[in-house]
Amino acid sequence: NAGVMQNPRHLVRRRGQEARLRCSPMKGHSHVYWYRQLPEEGLKFMVYLQKENIIDESGMPKERFSAEFPKEGPSILRIQQVVRGDSAAYFCASSPERGTGTQYFGPGTRLTVL
Amino acid sequence: KQEVTQIPAALSVPEGENLVLNCSFTDSAIYNLQWFRQDPGKGLTSLLLIQSSQREQTSGRLNASLDKSSGRSTLYIAASQPGDSATYLCLTPSGGANSKLTFGKGITLSVRP
Repeated sequence: NAGVMQNPRHLVRRRGQEARLRCSPMKGHSHVYWYRQLPEEGLKFMVYLQKENIIDESGMPKERFSAEFPKEGPSILRIQQVVRGDSAAYFCASSPERGTGTQYFGPGTRLTVL
Repeated sequence: KQEVTQIPAALSVPEGENLVLNCSFTDSAIYNLQWFRQDPGKGLTSLLLIQSSQREQTSGRLNASLDKSSGRSTLYIAASQPGDSATYLCLTPSGGANSKLTFGKGITLSVRP
């Protein structure tokens, strides 16, 4: 069973461009979470999704950020018009339907905005 | 709102020393508590998971304890090695099983040869 997969692992964008981060949960997992780790800071929750539904987006910036988890395919975290402050590591985690409270983390995508 | 605190932020010890990393949380009604390690520029590696009904978990040289009443968890590392150098994070779900995780900022451990 492959673990949580994220791609790309590293992403470089210029200010104003769009960044798309992908997360494929573990097989059989229907819950996806996105976390952001800013330089020198801890991990902070962004959004929690189930298939085709956003359950909790309390950690998402109000503008430029969006997330989806379609019926087919990976979850996408989309950042429009990136700014330098968006440079961070973005981690995705997944958990099964009947959760045990354990989330399994992907390797992260490191976004650098020039 | 759950808050997780880890103090100190950094720790440096000589190789071979036994050490304890502390984690405190404000809401004792936790579902479970996990300890992870993060190596520089890398992802998260799960170390130990303690369910709310448990008092401790052990894996090799690592032992994690949980005291919900006092809002504390400790990670004990026996006979530390340079390879243990990493940032250690404790985290807990904010609600039930499928809920967002609240992270501490981590303790950056350096084990000197």
